[in-house]
Amino acid sequence: GAVVSQHPSRVICKSGTSVKIECRSLDFQATTMFWYRQFPKKSLMLMATSNEGSKATYEQGVEKDKFLINHASLTLSTLTVTSAHPEDSSFYICSARDSFNSPFTHNQPQHFGDGTRLSIL
Amino acid sequence: AQTVTQSQPEMSVQEAETVTLSCTYDTSENNYYLFWYKQPPSRQMILVIRQEAYKQQNATENRFSVNFQKAAKSFSLKISDSQLGDTAMYFCAFMKRLTGEGKLIFGQGTELSVKP
Repeated sequence: GAVVSQHPSRVICKSGTSVKIECRSLDFQATTMFWYRQFPKKSLMLMATSNEGSKATYEQGVEKDKFLINHASLTLSTLTVTSAHPEDSSFYICSARDSFNSPFTHNQPQHFGDGTRLSIL
Repeated sequence: AQTVTQSQPEMSVQEAETVTLSCTYDTSENNYYLFWYKQPPSRQMILVIRQEAYKQQNATENRFSVNFQKAAKSFSLKISDSQLGDTAMYFCAFMKRLTGEGKLIFGQGTELSVKP
């Protein structure tokens, strides 16, 4: 099945620094990528949707200047948490799909990365 | 707008027993897909089962089956012969059929504990 690689799996950094999280599709073209935030024992909250070559669409309440998304190529999207603060600590998950082969890529609507646990001290 | 509701925050079941997780949704769409995802403690998102709204037959995958009631907008998951490895968060999800974006709308989740 398709694989999405998310890196790093865990990061701990000081308040005020910026953190970049990468999401790569390894065996398909990810024309659309999604970024989610998840609190413990809570649901996945969609932060933004990005299509390759265009700007990301942010969900209501998500600060686009705080969470910078770059869908640089058909296999890579990055989420940068700028000037991170303790309240940004969370679990972040990316997912990817090939919209040209909708509705499913390798029999799934989206392929998820393994997530990044971000801790801001 | 579509919404997905899981009204059971936590459930528990004895090993080898059967458990049913509830999910209701609201939509004005006629063509859509419904999914159940499993998220074990490792936090991976694993697709358990998929149902196409235009199909009347309930989907089944080994020990997992659904009861899809389109008119009632209900989509429950039945896990038979529960195993310890079934312990996880379970999320119900909705996706419009005719869209290139493929956005998933998730329910709040149900934390299932399978007890030995």
